[in-house]
Amino acid sequence: QVQLLESGGGVAQPGTSLRLSCAASGFSFGDYGVHWVRQAPGKGLQWVAVISHDGSNEYYADFVQGRFTISRDNSKNTLFLQMKSLRADDTAVYYCAKALGYCAGASCPLGDDWGQGTLVTVSS
Amino acid sequence: DIQMTQSPSSLSASVGDRVTITCQASQDISNSLNWYQQKPGNAPNLLIFDASNLNTGVPSRFSGGGYGTHFTFTISSLQPEDVATYFCLQHINLLLTFGGGTKVEIK
Repeated sequence: QVQLLESGGGVAQPGTSLRLSCAASGFSFGDYGVHWVRQAPGKGLQWVAVISHDGSNEYYADFVQGRFTISRDNSKNTLFLQMKSLRADDTAVYYCAKALGYCAGASCPLGDDWGQGTLVTVSS
Repeated sequence: DIQMTQSPSSLSASVGDRVTITCQASQDISNSLNWYQQKPGNAPNLLIFDASNLNTGVPSRFSGGGYGTHFTFTISSLQPEDVATYFCLQHINLLLTFGGGTKVEIK
């Protein structure tokens, strides 16, 4: 059974950094791309970033503007999102979600395997 | 980036009603569209993949259609447990985009 467990959320001051983690189990982690998706309180879903199965390719939403870095450690079955220069509008629940394949090609569809999310609140 | 315009943003219908939600893509996305259901406090659940394919275990009252830039999602007979927010998601390339969501309520 696929399990994804996010951690690392909390309250951060504007301009500071935070690192989120996503621990994966129940599948061969190194064979799948993984996404980060976020949801601001009371708002819709917003795709953040994706990383290919081996970490060789990363793609980001425009709003990231170089502030976030997605990475993974396949030896530890863990996905990361390093966020810096945090802003109030980064306040959201951050979900990790397993892709349906390697994500080494032209597309990387999401499936039905999501974590329960970790809340990041950016406030002074 | 591809924009997804979802409508309506909310709707209220009676139990047993047929409900339809649409998503319009800003460019051709073939059939690379999924539909998700999200209930408060929970992660999204995949209902429809690749525009018209019902995910395993999803009731047959849910269906999807469309191709290219125009897509529809239908609940043939609305049930109380269908109260939720529904999102479309395009995945034609590596930069995914969600629609804005449709909140479905019971009248």
